[in-house]
Amino acid sequence: SAVISQKPSRDICQRGTSLTIQCQVDSQVTMMFWYRQQPGQSLTLIATANQGSEATYESGFVIDKFPISRPNLTFSTLTVSNMSPEDSSIYLCSVTRGGEQFFGPGTRLTVL
Amino acid sequence: GDSVTQMEGPVTLSEEAFLTINCTYTATGYPSLFWYVQYPGEGLQLLLKATKADDKGSNKGFEATYRKETTSFHLEKGSVQVSDSAVYFCALSDLITASKLTFGTGTRLQVTL
Repeated sequence: SAVISQKPSRDICQRGTSLTIQCQVDSQVTMMFWYRQQPGQSLTLIATANQGSEATYESGFVIDKFPISRPNLTFSTLTVSNMSPEDSSIYLCSVTRGGEQFFGPGTRLTVL
Repeated sequence: GDSVTQMEGPVTLSEEAFLTINCTYTATGYPSLFWYVQYPGEGLQLLLKATKADDKGSNKGFEATYRKETTSFHLEKGSVQVSDSAVYFCALSDLITASKLTFGTGTRLQVTL
């Protein structure tokens, strides 16, 4: 299995500000993934983060809005920039190990 | 592109009732299929999976069979418990992008005494 922690667990932010979410894994992994779960909806992949290279973004998501860092094989950050109420969601990171994908507990973001 | 369609919820059942949550998918090639569960206040957990046609995934009394001919992966349980109340997500990952998961919209199950 994989133990994943995220910080913060929740936050309430003002429109126009930015929030950086941290994801820590208990051991090294090649790829880390960031998902968004909007209220009452399913999970949508934002981007895939590989160590040592730029993140790969899915259609509809751009680096300027969701910059990602991956400084080492156990850690990644996702920044939600210039936030608007539409960014209110749960943000989850995940990793793959042994053919299974494990998810962090999520960061619940509310933008006022 | 790939997509997953699940039956809409919420589904409300009495304890010991039979559960079916329908899931169908569209994908190129032969994806792996998953059911994830999200209990209240908790993170997403893998419930079961199947990696090829006719495989049956099972866990905690839940089962799902990979049906290539009907592109389906319906979740079933013979006798639900109150503790099964959660949101259930069907998902697939294709062979090309390996770990990238495409999720259905989720089905909320409420089991009452």
